[in-house]
Amino acid sequence: KAGVTQTPRYLIKTRGQQVTLSCSPISGHRSVSWYQQTPGQGLQFLFEYFSETQRNKGNFPGRFSGRQFSNSRSEMNVSTLELGDSALYLCASSSSTSGRKFGELFFGEGSRLTVL
Amino acid sequence: GESVGLHLPTLSVQEGDNSIINCAYSNSASDYFIWYKQESGKGPQFIIDIRSNMDKRQGQRVTVLLNKTVKHLSLQIAATQPGDSAVYFCAENVGGGADGLTFGKGTHLIIQP
Repeated sequence: KAGVTQTPRYLIKTRGQQVTLSCSPISGHRSVSWYQQTPGQGLQFLFEYFSETQRNKGNFPGRFSGRQFSNSRSEMNVSTLELGDSALYLCASSSSTSGRKFGELFFGEGSRLTVL
Repeated sequence: GESVGLHLPTLSVQEGDNSIINCAYSNSASDYFIWYKQESGKGPQFIIDIRSNMDKRQGQRVTVLLNKTVKHLSLQIAATQPGDSAVYFCAENVGGGADGLTFGKGTHLIIQP
């Protein structure tokens, strides 16, 4: 069974630009979550999608958005990039089908974004 | 502040020894805890989880202990191997996922030959 696939693995952007990151979950997983990892703040929850709906959202500004497609693939977008957005963006999929039952997360290897 | 935190940023142990990584949490409503291992250049990998109705759970060479009285979580790794070198994160969840997982900062486990 293929794992969680994230693209691109590395990218460099400049301040003010926008970026779109893609995530393909494990086959059969309908829940996709996004996390930001930085040396200073560690791993922080961005949002979770389930069946094309944003089910949960972390404490990030509106510049961070996402969506999920009918095949469970997900994208996240960051607009008006800031230097502080430089981070490893991790996608995780889960077999969780209910908002009240939290399954283990399977993480991808991440997309490393550098903002210059 | 962060609900979940780790006591030590770096832990160095001899190969073959047992290691214990600690984690404290402050939210008494947390009812699900997970330990992840992250190797350099990779995403976090699930190790073991425990729910608040348990105080101990064992896996292959790993044991997680949960002390709800003092809000403390630990990960014990038996007979450490070079492949155990990684950053270990504890994570908590409250009530089934509404706020995602809250991760601690991580402990870097170094295995000395």
